[in-house]
Amino acid sequence: GAGVSQSPSNKVTEKGKDVELRCDPISGHTALYWYRQSLGQGLEFLIYFQGNSAPDKSGLPSDRFSAERTGGSVSTLTIQRTQQEDSAVYLCASSRRRRESPLHFGNGTRLTVT
Amino acid sequence: AQTVTQSQPEMSVQEAETVTLSCTYDTSESDYYLFWYKQPPSRQMILVIRQEAYKQQNATENRFSVNFQKAAKSFSLKISDSQLGDAAMYFCAYRYAGGTSYGKLTFGQGTILTVHP
Repeated sequence: GAGVSQSPSNKVTEKGKDVELRCDPISGHTALYWYRQSLGQGLEFLIYFQGNSAPDKSGLPSDRFSAERTGGSVSTLTIQRTQQEDSAVYLCASSRRRRESPLHFGNGTRLTVT
Repeated sequence: AQTVTQSQPEMSVQEAETVTLSCTYDTSESDYYLFWYKQPPSRQMILVIRQEAYKQQNATENRFSVNFQKAAKSFSLKISDSQLGDAAMYFCAYRYAGGTSYGKLTFGQGTILTVHP
């Protein structure tokens, strides 16, 4: 594909349920990032993947949040036992692993926990 | 820890006029990048302009330019000849140039820009 693809575009779930958010990066981009954007706020870094490894998970807010990446491509962000404060837009970005390489963002997944 | 502050929650401009969005940041590092991103209703973050801290010359991209004041830790965005398509949320962001996490950015809270015809 031409850009970073995220699915679903929107997700409504009940409190306590688990959700999975998917990110398909640009082909050839070895670096992948997840960000969270709460209502009216800036973006908050969650996790960074280089290939299938996650050398920086410092932004994950709790142990209910986890992410994996397989085949150096698709990544899944999983939120277990969702809470209302998890409601946000989750954005994925990818880039080449070079200092000057720009980030390419997807359109995000809007998660609403009722 | 680095912080980025955008003190203008909302700004408005008339079409064809010029507007300046403000951003200040705090860091103890000397080698870093600063960015302005645009987020239209589609939610996709679009890179508008980038500035390397070691460069004294202000970056420009067509109608977009920055005023980078390193000592004052200020990084404002000027949009000239504003167009209706410029209406969006604008985010200022900082990234440390060292390390290996090249896409780990710290964002400001954003400024909503409205363009009036």
